[in-house]
Amino acid sequence: ETGVTQSPTHLIKTRGQQVTLRCSSQSGHNTVSWYQQALGQGPQFIFQYYREEENGRGNFPPRFSGLQFPNYSSELNVNALELDDSALYLCASSGIAGVTDTQYFGPGTRLTVL
Amino acid sequence: TQLLEQSPQFLSIQEGENLTVYCNSSSVFSSLQWYRQEPGEGPVLLVTVVTGGEVKKLKRLTFQFGDARKDSSLHITAAQPGDTGLYLCAGACGGSQGNLIFGKGTKLSVKP
Repeated sequence: ETGVTQSPTHLIKTRGQQVTLRCSSQSGHNTVSWYQQALGQGPQFIFQYYREEENGRGNFPPRFSGLQFPNYSSELNVNALELDDSALYLCASSGIAGVTDTQYFGPGTRLTVL
Repeated sequence: TQLLEQSPQFLSIQEGENLTVYCNSSSVFSSLQWYRQEPGEGPVLLVTVVTGGEVKKLKRLTFQFGDARKDSSLHITAAQPGDTGLYLCAGACGGSQGNLIFGKGTKLSVKP
């Protein structure tokens, strides 16, 4: 059974640029959730995708957008990067939408915005 | 706004000591999960507690969910250096929305 994988592991961008982060869900899982974890903080929910549709969104501006593909992998896109977007971005997959099922986290992508 | 407060924020102890980490909220959660996170890695699930008053044991770790499902504790007996890490609690609000509410975490350091 393959776990959750994310790419790239590290990324450096400058303010105003756009970034795409990728996540492959665990085998058999159809739901992907994205979280942002700033230094010294717990993860904050960005949004969840279930069967290619957005299924809930946290308090993040529209420049944070996502996609889920037919194979249930997912992308997180961030436009017009700001310095405060520097964080560890985590994706988690689960077999059921919502939080009734355990969410399994990937290793994260460390984004630095200069 | 639902918040989960974790305490203490930092804990540094010697190998063999016992410790308790607390997770408190004014909100009721349908379930609560504890994760451990090591530097540069994603959180790894330790346990999910669902029923008020529930106690779960995982080797030297004991997890308790408060009767009112607003708080939880994690007790580690005879801590070892391998227990070092960031311990996060996360509450599930129920319903079809996917978000977990995370605390800021307790950073534990166990010295040999």
